[in-house]
Amino acid sequence: SQQGEEDPQALSIQEGENATMNCSYKTSINNLQWYRQNSGRGLVHLILIRSNEREKHSGRLRVTLDTSKKSSSLLITASRAADTASYFCATAMYTGANSKLTFGKGITLSVRP
Amino acid sequence: DVKVTQSSRYLVKRTGEKVFLECVQDMDHENMFWYRQDPGLGLRLIYFSYDVKMKEKGDIPEGYSVSREKKERFSLILESASTNQTSMYLCASKAHPQGMNSPLHFGNGTRLTVT
Repeated sequence: SQQGEEDPQALSIQEGENATMNCSYKTSINNLQWYRQNSGRGLVHLILIRSNEREKHSGRLRVTLDTSKKSSSLLITASRAADTASYFCATAMYTGANSKLTFGKGITLSVRP
Repeated sequence: DVKVTQSSRYLVKRTGEKVFLECVQDMDHENMFWYRQDPGLGLRLIYFSYDVKMKEKGDIPEGYSVSREKKERFSLILESASTNQTSMYLCASKAHPQGMNSPLHFGNGTRLTVT
């Protein structure tokens, strides 16, 4: 079953604007991760936030995590045409001795030049 | 940088054929994964392996098997390919089985078409 659900499904913005993408999940997690996928390629890890963290930054990326609401948001500031891609949130949970990462269905971001 | 290499970018096979998808990683990672990606369904876990010769079923293992004879290589096998296995297949690896806070490293995917 899908754990993470992204919102919106698609987002179109002008270059220079900020893009905000949201992810909600259902059960307790150990961490939440965001990935980017360019068309026809594999996924690339962007940022990981642990369950005991509330906010994390990496360059133009800002991620927040609210465990009480079971939600996360990814903010891309000053977007560029090269940010056009699909973005996925993934939740990590322990399953015995191993971890399991479950992905959402993704958000398609289009940045217009 | 971690490199995860999938042997084929595009593959076309006939119904009933036995299909092997190969994945190699160069960073001595213990964990390796196979996902399939379909429009509207996102990524779904087929199988994963946390050590040589070890494997565990993911969410959709039916119709698939895997092989991990060497640490760097993880193979996905379609015993008898069917048209509903037409999909993008993504291999990934991760540094440590207990390393919850480590990311997945993905290959570029194999787009398989079964006719």
